[in-house]
This record gives sequence, C-alpha cells and structure tokens, in this order.
Amino acid sequence: AQSVTQLDSHVSVSEGTPVLLRCNYSSSYSPSLFWYVQHPNKGLQLLLKYTSAATLVKGINGFEAEFKKSETSFHLTKPSAHMSDAAEYFCVVSAMNSGNTPLVFGKGTRLSVIA
Amino acid sequence: GAGVSQSPRYKVAKRGQDVALRCDPISGHVSLFWYQQALGQGPEFLTYFQNEAQLDKSGLPSDRFFAERPEGSVSTLKIQRTQQEDSAVYLCASSRGGALSEKLFFGSGTQLSVL
Repeated sequence: AQSVTQLDSHVSVSEGTPVLLRCNYSSSYSPSLFWYVQHPNKGLQLLLKYTSAATLVKGINGFEAEFKKSETSFHLTKPSAHMSDAAEYFCVVSAMNSGNTPLVFGKGTRLSVIA
Repeated sequence: GAGVSQSPRYKVAKRGQDVALRCDPISGHVSLFWYQQALGQGPEFLTYFQNEAQLDKSGLPSDRFFAERPEGSVSTLKIQRTQQEDSAVYLCASSRGGALSEKLFFGSGTQLSVL
C-alpha cells in the first residue's frame, strides 16, 4: 500500500524567504510522486511530478522537489516565496508497477506568506 | 471544453435526499476520477473509470454511493439517502491516457452540504 505523510499542517514564511514543505512517502513499489497546489475556490493544479527519471524535479512557478530514496522523502522547495504562493499544497503518491492504484493524497500543508 | 467542469458548484440537501453530481471531463480524456475532500483534509479516492469501464470503486464509502460513465465521457456520482457525514467537496479529475502516473486535471468541485 502507498501513503504519504506531510510533516507540517501549516507553514508560514516571509515574502522573499525560502519555502520548504516536507513530505515522506511509503510505497511497496517504485513510486510516482507529485505535488499539487490548491488555491481557494480553484481546482487542484499539478506543480511537478517524479517518475524515476532525474531525482531533482523542476516544476512551475519556481518550485522544485528532490526524490531521496534513502530518506523516503520528496520535499518541495522554492528559493524565494511570493505572496501568490499562499495556498494549500498536497504531496501525492502512486505506485507505478502495482496495476490500477489510485493516487493517494497527503493531508495537505497550508502555506502562508507574510508581507 | 477548456477544462474539467463540475455541476452544480454548490448543493444543499436534506438528510435522506438523493443527489446527483455531474462531471464533464476534458474532451478525449480516457481516465476519470472522483475524489471526496472533507474540510481541512486531503482528497480521498472514491472511484476511477477508463473510458466507460469502472476499474476501481474501492474508495466508495458505502453502497449509497454509485458512479457511472455510460458513454465514456460525462460521469455522474450519485449519493442515495444522504447523511450528514457525506458533507464534503466532491472533486472530479481527468487524464489523457490510462497510466496512473499521468497529470490529472481537476475541476473546481461540488460542495455538498447535508442538513
């Protein structure tokens, strides 16, 4: 079975400072990992995904994430936060080789950006 | 259409009523997913279609929940005899192919409130 644990339910940063949103995963198979963002009253949007190619994945809006198998982690980072980054972020796992396994979402991390 | 469309946007039901939630996926998308998102939680998988075939319904919480996609495009999620615990946002997503590592495109959801 697959699961993800988002270690922080809420992260608050000042505008212009780095962002770190933490995610650990558990999977019996080679995982695909994703980060999705949810702005208020908008649909979930894919930020980036990892599917066993390069371990450092670059996404939209300056976000990136690094897959670390030894630590079973897939943390999301951004060098400099912008006010528009304030949203809910979800780490998601899917097992590539286990047939029809649905995507499993974490509980989310709410990012606040302070001016 | 340009994106995944869900209707209604909001639905208020009295306990015991039946409701039907509609999802129009992106034209030509093979896969369609339904998720349930309770307040303050991550989306939880309900069911998944590939074309008209329902490949996984393991997430449906009870036999009061039923989903269909008869022509492989529009899907309807039906909840019979609604209960207060059914109150949540119901999200629909579609993807171009059948692989579960593909990008999902989400609708804005239907917010269901059961009184």
